[in-house]
Amino acid sequence: AQSVAQPEDQVNVAEGNPLTVKCTYSVSGNPYLFWYVQYPNRGLQFLLKYITGDNLVKGSYGFEAEFNKSQTSFHLKKPSALVSDSALYFCAVRDSWGKFQFGAGTQVVVTP
Amino acid sequence: GAGVSQTPSNKVTEKGKYVELRCDPISGHTALYWYRQSLGQGPEFLIYFQGTGAADDSGLPNDRFFAVRPEGSVSTLKIQRTERGDSAVYLCASSSSGSGWETQYFGPGTRLLVL
Repeated sequence: AQSVAQPEDQVNVAEGNPLTVKCTYSVSGNPYLFWYVQYPNRGLQFLLKYITGDNLVKGSYGFEAEFNKSQTSFHLKKPSALVSDSALYFCAVRDSWGKFQFGAGTQVVVTP
Repeated sequence: GAGVSQTPSNKVTEKGKYVELRCDPISGHTALYWYRQSLGQGPEFLIYFQGTGAADDSGLPNDRFFAVRPEGSVSTLKIQRTERGDSAVYLCASSSSGSGWETQYFGPGTRLLVL
């Protein structure tokens, strides 16, 4: 069975500082990994994905994520956080048959 | 183009009643997913359609929950004899069969409140 862990319920960062949101996963076979963001009272928005290829994946709004197979991690990063990045972030893994498993989410709070 | 739409956006019902939640996927998307999201938690997988058939319904919590997608487009999630514990946001997502097939796109959700 696949699983996703987001060890931090909340991450606090000052605007302009680097932001990291952690994610580790467990899946049989090759992992398909995703990050989604959710703003209050809105649906989940796709940020980026890792399917194959380069371990560093670049996505929307200046976010990137690094796939680390040996550590089974897929941490989300942004070099310089904005107040508008404050939201709930979800890591997800897709198995070979199309089923997705989401993490519990990490609330990001960026202070001015 | 139009994204995934869900109706109603909010639904309030009484315990024991029957409800239907509708999802209109992105045109041409063959895969459709239903999730349930409770406050402070991540989306919980319910069921996944590929075309008209349910490819995986292992997430449906019990036989009060049922979903259909008769023509391979619009899907309806049906909940019988609703219970207060069914209160949650029900999310629908779709993905294509072509380029980018592995990525889901989500609708805004239906917020269900069972009194």
